[in-house]
Amino acid sequence: DQQVKQNSPSLSVQEGRISILNCDYTNSMFDYFLWYKKYPAEGPTFLISISSIKDKNEDGRFTVFLNKSAKHLSLHIVPSQPGDSAVYFCAAGLMNRDDKIIFGKGTRLHILP
Amino acid sequence: GAGVSQTPSNKVTEKGKYVELRCDPISGHTALYWYRQSLGQGPEFLIYFQGTGAADDSGLPNDRFFAVRPEGSVSTLKIQRTERGDSAVYLCASSFSTREGPSTDTQYFGPGTRLTVL
Repeated sequence: DQQVKQNSPSLSVQEGRISILNCDYTNSMFDYFLWYKKYPAEGPTFLISISSIKDKNEDGRFTVFLNKSAKHLSLHIVPSQPGDSAVYFCAAGLMNRDDKIIFGKGTRLHILP
Repeated sequence: GAGVSQTPSNKVTEKGKYVELRCDPISGHTALYWYRQSLGQGPEFLIYFQGTGAADDSGLPNDRFFAVRPEGSVSTLKIQRTERGDSAVYLCASSFSTREGPSTDTQYFGPGTRLTVL
């Protein structure tokens, strides 16, 4: 049973527009959430995180929104740039337990020129 | 400073053989993690070390898989009697996590070892 779900395997967005990547989770105990970005032949790179006590965290062009009641989070990238083309993984974990994080299957983002 | 490195980058082996995959974490990072990523999937947790000890090995799929970190730095993931289903990219990550309190320490990933079992 998948605890972290990314239901869109791929997404295409015009350069300069907003990219919105979605993620749902089933375990209400998760209390921190992360987004990782992955280029081919490289390991995932940490992008941004949010703890469950917040509903928004912003870092430059990247903003993560958390809706705990809906068990949903989203990553907004604005404006989208060609270098943003990659696979984006949503992940969730538990603070004060161990540091194991559970990943979704990923969404491949294509930024179109 | 150097990031997480993993060797080899690619490993092709025959069914039934034994393989070892190596991870060099970022210097000073106390926590080390192994994940496995199959095609079309996200990374799947295997095992987590805090120092030399395995703090959580609940993700190891069966007793053919074993990992060690004898000096609290380099780690080796060992797979015995490999099967075709073991083919995947094996990712290692490290973080500066002390487990003394709330932890949101970022996990830094290596490039992975692509294992192919023929």
